[in-house]
Amino acid sequence: GDSVTQMEGPVTLSEEAFLTINCTYTATGYPSLFWYVQYPGEGLQLLLKATKADDKGSNKGFEATYRKETTSFHLEKGSVQVSDSAVYFCALSSGGYQKVTFGTGTKLQVIP
Amino acid sequence: DVKVTQSSRYLVKRTGEKVFLECVQDMDHENMFWYRQDPGLGLRLIYFSYDVKMKEKGDIPEGYSVSREKKERFSLILESASTNQTSMYLCASSLVRRGQETQYFGPGTRLLVL
Repeated sequence: GDSVTQMEGPVTLSEEAFLTINCTYTATGYPSLFWYVQYPGEGLQLLLKATKADDKGSNKGFEATYRKETTSFHLEKGSVQVSDSAVYFCALSSGGYQKVTFGTGTKLQVIP
Repeated sequence: DVKVTQSSRYLVKRTGEKVFLECVQDMDHENMFWYRQDPGLGLRLIYFSYDVKMKEKGDIPEGYSVSREKKERFSLILESASTNQTSMYLCASSLVRRGQETQYFGPGTRLLVL
C-alpha cells in the first residue's frame, strides 16, 4: 500500500537558518504530493502541493519539488523564522476518493 | 474560505460511555474524514465518507462508527469509550475531483477517557 516516510524530529534551528525536511514515498500510479503544517493548538492546513513529476510547490517561502525518479518531495526554506515553529506533515493522495496518506510528522522548533 | 468546525475542543469521558464527535463543513465538499492523531504515529484514518449515507473503513475503524445523514455533517461515534481511545481527533473535508484533493481540517477535539 501507499506510505510516506519523513525524517524524525524534533528539528531545532536558529532563526535565519536553512531548513530541509526529507520526505520519500511509496505509491502506485501517479500520486499528488502535499506538505501540511500544524501550528500549536490547531488543525492541519495545506502548506503546498504538487500534482505531477517535476512540479514545484511553493508558499510562504517554503518549496518542494516532486521527484519521481527518487520518489521524494523534500521541504526546504532558505531562512526560517520563529513563527515557522510547527509540525510539518508530508502526505500523498492516490487512487479513488482522494484518500490521503500522511507521514508521522516532523516537529520544527526555531529559536531566536 | 472553507470552514470545518468540530463540536468540542476538549472532552472528558468515562470508560464505557457513548461518545459523539460532530464535524460540520460549509463548502459543499463530497468527502469527509475522521483521523486520530497520536505522538509518533502521525494521523491515522478511522473512517471516511464520499457521499451522504456512504462510509468506508479506514486503517483503524475498530471501536468506532460514523454517521453521515447530511452532506455537511459527519459524526464519529465511540460506542463504548476505552482509555486507549484517548487521543486528538481531527475531522477533514475535501472535494472528490483529482487535482482538488486538498483536505481542510477542523481544529481538533482532544478526548480524554478516564
